[in-house]
Amino acid sequence: DQQVKQNSPSLSVQEGRISILNCDYTNSMFDYFLWYKKYPAEGPTFLISISSIKDKNEDGRFTVFLNKSAKHLSLHIVPSQPGDSAVYFCAARSGGSQGNLIFGKGTKLSVKP
Amino acid sequence: EAGVTQFPSHSVIEKGQTVTLRCDPISGHDNLYWYRRVMGKEIKFLLHFVKESKQDESGMPNNRFLAERTGGTYSTLKVQPAELEDSGVYFCASSQGLARETQYFGPGTRLLVL
Repeated sequence: DQQVKQNSPSLSVQEGRISILNCDYTNSMFDYFLWYKKYPAEGPTFLISISSIKDKNEDGRFTVFLNKSAKHLSLHIVPSQPGDSAVYFCAARSGGSQGNLIFGKGTKLSVKP
Repeated sequence: EAGVTQFPSHSVIEKGQTVTLRCDPISGHDNLYWYRRVMGKEIKFLLHFVKESKQDESGMPNNRFLAERTGGTYSTLKVQPAELEDSGVYFCASSQGLARETQYFGPGTRLLVL
């Protein structure tokens, strides 16, 4: 059973507008969440993260929001640029020392000029 | 600073053959992880090394998979004998210090078993 879910396989947005990518999780023991961006034929690239003790983290055009009660997080990209077109993976890390990540299936974002 | 590197980038083998994948982590990173993405599915954890020790191998599918990290530097992942369902992209990631640091991924090895 998937513990991290990205229910939208794809999203298309116009350049300059806001992109909102969503992620839901089921395990309340997750204490850290990350977003990775992946271009074709490359490995995932770390984008932004958030600790479970926070509800927002911002880095330039990228903001991640965490709603613990709803077990939901979202990544906002504003303004969206054509170079943002990629697959975005939501990942969660379990509390404890292991550190391995649990990924969603990804959302393919297309930003159209 | 060089990132995580993986070799080969692609491998096509026949069912029953053996394949060895290699990962060189970022220099100084004690933590090394292997993940796999089967087509259309999520990226799944395979195992985690801290230096040369296996910290967690709960994600390894079966005993046809053998991972090593001799000397705590690069790591190899051997699949022997390979089966059709082993096809996918194998990613390696590394992180510095505590296991809770951000993981940096390599470009992956695309394995196709025919």
